[in-house]
Amino acid sequence: AQTVTQSQPEMSVQEAETVTLSCTYDTSESNYYLFWYKQPPSRQMILVIRQEAYKQQNATENRFSVNFQKAAKSFSLKISDSQLGDTAMYFCAFTPHPNSGGSNYKLTFGKGTLLTVNP
Amino acid sequence: NAGVTQTPKFQVLKTGQSMTLQCAQDMNHEYMSWYRQDPGMGLRLIHYSVGAGITDQGEVPNGYNVSRSTTEDFPLRLLSAAPSQTSVYFCASYTRGGESSGNTIYFGEGSWLTVV
Repeated sequence: AQTVTQSQPEMSVQEAETVTLSCTYDTSESNYYLFWYKQPPSRQMILVIRQEAYKQQNATENRFSVNFQKAAKSFSLKISDSQLGDTAMYFCAFTPHPNSGGSNYKLTFGKGTLLTVNP
Repeated sequence: NAGVTQTPKFQVLKTGQSMTLQCAQDMNHEYMSWYRQDPGMGLRLIHYSVGAGITDQGEVPNGYNVSRSTTEDFPLRLLSAAPSQTSVYFCASYTRGGESSGNTIYFGEGSWLTVV
C-alpha cells in the first residue's frame, strides 16, 4: 500500500518570499506519478505540478518547482515570490503509473499543509 | 467541455435518510472515483471504478454503494445516512491516455453533505 506524509500541518510566509512544503511517500512501485494540488477556500482542487518518477529532471511550472529525490522518496514543493493568492491547502498525492500493471489507479493523498501568505 | 459535474453541491440529510450524489464526466475517461475530505484527514478514497461495470472499494467504503452502468456516470449512494458521513465529497475522473492527457486527474467541484 502507498502512503503519503506531509509533516507540516501549517506554514506561513511573507509575500514575495520563498517557501518549501515537504512531502515524503512510501511505495514499492518503480514507476509512478507524484502531484501537488492546491485547494483554495472555494475547495476546488487545482493541479499545481506533476512529476513522473522515471524522469530525472525536476518539474517546474512558473513560480512552482519541485525537488524530487526518488531514492529518498521525497517530493517537496517550492513556491517562489509567494503571492496572496497562493494562500490555500496544499496536498501531495501519489498514483502508480497505469502501465505498472493491475488496476491500481488509486490516487493517495497526504493530509495537507495549510499555507498562509501574509502581506 | 464540462469536465466533471457533481450534484448536488449542498445537501442536508436527517439520520437514516438515503440519497445519491451524482457524478458525470464527458471526457470518456475510464477511471472514476469518489473521495471524502474531512478536517486533518486529507482526501480518502471511498470507491473507484476502472471502467463500466467494474467497481472496487477504497479506503473508507462502509456506508456507501456505487455502480458504473455507463462510462459517463458514477453515482455514490448513501443508503442510511449517519452523522459520521458529514463531509465534503469529491468525484474525480482520469484516463491512462497518452502523454498529453494521461494521468491528469479531473475533479468535480465538491458536494457538501451534512447529516443531522
